[in-house]
Amino acid sequence: KNQVEQSPQSLIILEGKNCTLQCNYTVSPFSNLRWYKQDTGRGPVSLTIMTFSENTKSNGRYTATLDADTKQSSLHITASQLSDSASYICVVKGAGSYQLTFGKGTKLSVIP
Amino acid sequence: GAGVSQSPSNKVTEKGKDVELRCDPISGHTALYWYRQRLGQGLEFLIYFQGNSAPDKSGLPSDRFSAERTGESVSTLTIQRTQQEDSAVYLCASSSHTWTSGGGETQYFGPGTRLLVL
Repeated sequence: KNQVEQSPQSLIILEGKNCTLQCNYTVSPFSNLRWYKQDTGRGPVSLTIMTFSENTKSNGRYTATLDADTKQSSLHITASQLSDSASYICVVKGAGSYQLTFGKGTKLSVIP
Repeated sequence: GAGVSQSPSNKVTEKGKDVELRCDPISGHTALYWYRQRLGQGLEFLIYFQGNSAPDKSGLPSDRFSAERTGESVSTLTIQRTQQEDSAVYLCASSSHTWTSGGGETQYFGPGTRLLVL
């Protein structure tokens, strides 16, 4: 069964600090991995999409890494801001499929 | 341009009643997805529409759930005889590409409909 596991479940950090969120998956065959940001009461918004051949992709202060061999990804947030407080969801798409497998998300709280 | 919109934003209903949820995708997007997000859980795929092709209903949890879409426009998700376990956020997403185009398409999500079944 395709699964996406994220850690930690929740995280509290001080404004200005960095943090790294983890994602492990078992989806096979693999097509791409996405990180979404979901603000409370809103739908998810795409941050990055990474394919098998991509190891790192950045979007402003967000940097995602992918190790397709170990089936692990991370999302690193640099110089966090209060507006980064949200749930960050790791999503994996299998090859030859339109279906996405979603992780449960990491709830990040950035405090002053 | 406008994003994906959903209505109502919140719905409270009594057990056993039918509810209808609406999704307006981004204009021109051929693909439309419905997901369910229970509290503390990841999103669950429900149904996928692609143009005028037959939808993939494999994610619908029971025959009480059904969905329709006319062409590449509005979609409605109907839940009949609602149960308390149907309480969740129902999210709709649309995409401009088919899954055969390489898989790199982005799904754009609506704000969701929060359904509470009492």
